[in-house]
Amino acid sequence: GENVEQHPSTLSVQEGDSAVIKCTYSDSASNYFPWYKQELGKRPQLIIDIRSNVGEKKDQRIAVTLNKTAKHFSLHITETQPEDSAVYFCAASRGGSYIPTFGRGTSLIVHP
Amino acid sequence: GAVVSQHPSRVICKSGTSVKIECRSLDFQATTMFWYRQFPKQSLMLMATSNEGSKATYEQGVEKDKFLINHASLTLSTLTVTSAHPEDSSFYICSALPGQGLSGYTFGSGTRLTVV
Repeated sequence: GENVEQHPSTLSVQEGDSAVIKCTYSDSASNYFPWYKQELGKRPQLIIDIRSNVGEKKDQRIAVTLNKTAKHFSLHITETQPEDSAVYFCAASRGGSYIPTFGRGTSLIVHP
Repeated sequence: GAVVSQHPSRVICKSGTSVKIECRSLDFQATTMFWYRQFPKQSLMLMATSNEGSKATYEQGVEKDKFLINHASLTLSTLTVTSAHPEDSSFYICSALPGQGLSGYTFGSGTRLTVV
């Protein structure tokens, strides 16, 4: 089955700095890579996703890059704000009705 | 967008009792729902896949007699934690696929279970 590794487990940055979270996956058939943000005690919410036919996708301050050859993908948050503080999960899936395999999560702390 | 409702949001129960958690798809039909368990500061652990009209599929290591899943309609799946013990205390989250492809994968609001 799929195995998703996520690093770092904790990331502490100053407000305004950039944050990068990296994930690797093992299943070469995976073609869909969503990222979720989970605030304390709340449900994970999809913030951005990327499919294997695209190398990069951007949405305002967040972007995701994908390197299919190396089987890794990354989340980039620029100009971080305190409200970006949360746990971020990457995931990988074969798409369709396949359920995603989640990484272990990264706790992002943005200091004002 | 697709909405998944989960109740209750918090529950405290005594050891030995059973607790039922409901997961509803509000504006779509979900033939398949998923149940996750999440310990503090840890990732989402898939417990089982709930299939409407048939038996749930449990992940390895999850006791099916302990965590009873019923998916009796296209909009409702329930998870019953039977004979709960303190080690069952956790955050339980359901999710569903609204049929829009995986990009529509939607989580319920979660249930914080505390067994005392």
